[in-house]
Amino acid sequence: SQTIHQWPATLVQPVGSPLSLECTVEGTSNPNLYWYRQAAGRGLQLLFYSVGIGQISSEVPQNLSASRPQDRQFILSSKKLLLSDSGFYLCAWSGTARWDEQFFGPGTRLTVL
Amino acid sequence: AQSVTQLGSHVSVSEGALVLLRCNYSSSVPPYLFWYVQYPNQGLQLLLKYTSAATLVKGINGFEAEFKKSETSFHLTKPSAHMSDAAEYFCAVSDKNNDMRFGAGTRLTVKP
Repeated sequence: SQTIHQWPATLVQPVGSPLSLECTVEGTSNPNLYWYRQAAGRGLQLLFYSVGIGQISSEVPQNLSASRPQDRQFILSSKKLLLSDSGFYLCAWSGTARWDEQFFGPGTRLTVL
Repeated sequence: AQSVTQLGSHVSVSEGALVLLRCNYSSSVPPYLFWYVQYPNQGLQLLLKYTSAATLVKGINGFEAEFKKSETSFHLTKPSAHMSDAAEYFCAVSDKNNDMRFGAGTRLTVKP
């Protein structure tokens, strides 16, 4: 069966520090991969999605970036965190059909101080 | 572009009462629609999805949703609320580019 992992589960970082969040998927190949952010009391904001290795699409301009170095690995990074980067970050994967649901990881709670 | 609107950011029901969470969609192509549930500090879990087969879709935990094209709606219902149903619920539509567009979410509170 397929599983999705995210780490770390929680992270507290100072403003201006770098960030690296990792997401890996097991049990499937060539998935679509997604990064979302949930700010407190708000819905899901799609940050990045990827349909293959090295193929990244960005939904919103920001100081975050994403990379997909391997088929089932998706990394969210920042060189310098802002206070506004605080939130709950969710990674998800799906098949390639429009009717495929997305499967979400457990999330990373990031607090920038 | 495809989008969904969830009416009511907070819904409160008594245990045993009917749960009704509203979702309206906008889509330029035949829609694929989804309901997800999120418990505190967890990822989203799929409750059910509509993929143009039966208009009444049954999901996990006793939830169901009915696709009504004439009303562009996909409301989520459960006949009898349980305390464990307290969570946040998201409606979503699959965009023609395979992106999932989520609603803002509805927080369900269940009172004893």
